Amino acid sequence: EPEVTQTPSHQVTQMGQEVILRCVPISNHLYFYWYRQILGQKVEFLVSFYNNEISEKSEIFDDQFSVERPDGSNFTLKIRSTKLEDSAMYFCASSVKRGADTQYFGPGTRLTVL
Amino acid sequence: QKEVEQDPGPLSVPEGAIVSLNCTYSNSAFQYFMWYRQYSRKGPELLMYTYSSGNKEDGRFTAQVDKSSKYISLFIRDSQPSDSATYLCAMSTGGYNKLIFGAGTRLAVHP
Repeated sequence: EPEVTQTPSHQVTQMGQEVILRCVPISNHLYFYWYRQILGQKVEFLVSFYNNEISEKSEIFDDQFSVERPDGSNFTLKIRSTKLEDSAMYFCASSVKRGADTQYFGPGTRLTVL
Repeated sequence: QKEVEQDPGPLSVPEGAIVSLNCTYSNSAFQYFMWYRQYSRKGPELLMYTYSSGNKEDGRFTAQVDKSSKYISLFIRDSQPSDSATYLCAMSTGGYNKLIFGAGTRLAVHP
């Protein structure tokens, strides 16, 4: 069964450093998302992406964040200058159509900012 | 008032019990309602999806949506230890389908 994959599974970085989190969505999917979950808190929407542009972003997704689909298979989230409060699980999700019923999540990348 | 409220539990039940999980919400524009299951340190796994009001059944799982009360439920029949996980409700108004999640209810099914 096709699945969303994410790398790395765990990333440790120093405050102020740039990190890139990588996702490979399911191959025929067209809509891509990033969510995050701070330990013990809700899963929160960050950004949605379709047709090579951002469709929607949350207040969390400020100028320090960017997303890119550099080729036909990868979808990346970049944090330019990490802060302690960026420590969280980051989940990539993808969807084959514009319908809320079909978002499939990856296993997540645990980001630890020291 | 929080947009989506969900009792975090934990909920502990014996194997074979019927489990009822619930969420309430405040945004009447929500049209799509999902239940995800999340095992520790894993990604959410889509379990059930319902559009608008009504019931949906899939094996041991039944999802109910009551839009007039802004209340959704997930019932698990004949619960098994493998059902032990955190259950997340999620909702969307449509559009590009940003999902709004509840806090999750931690369920433990003991043999």
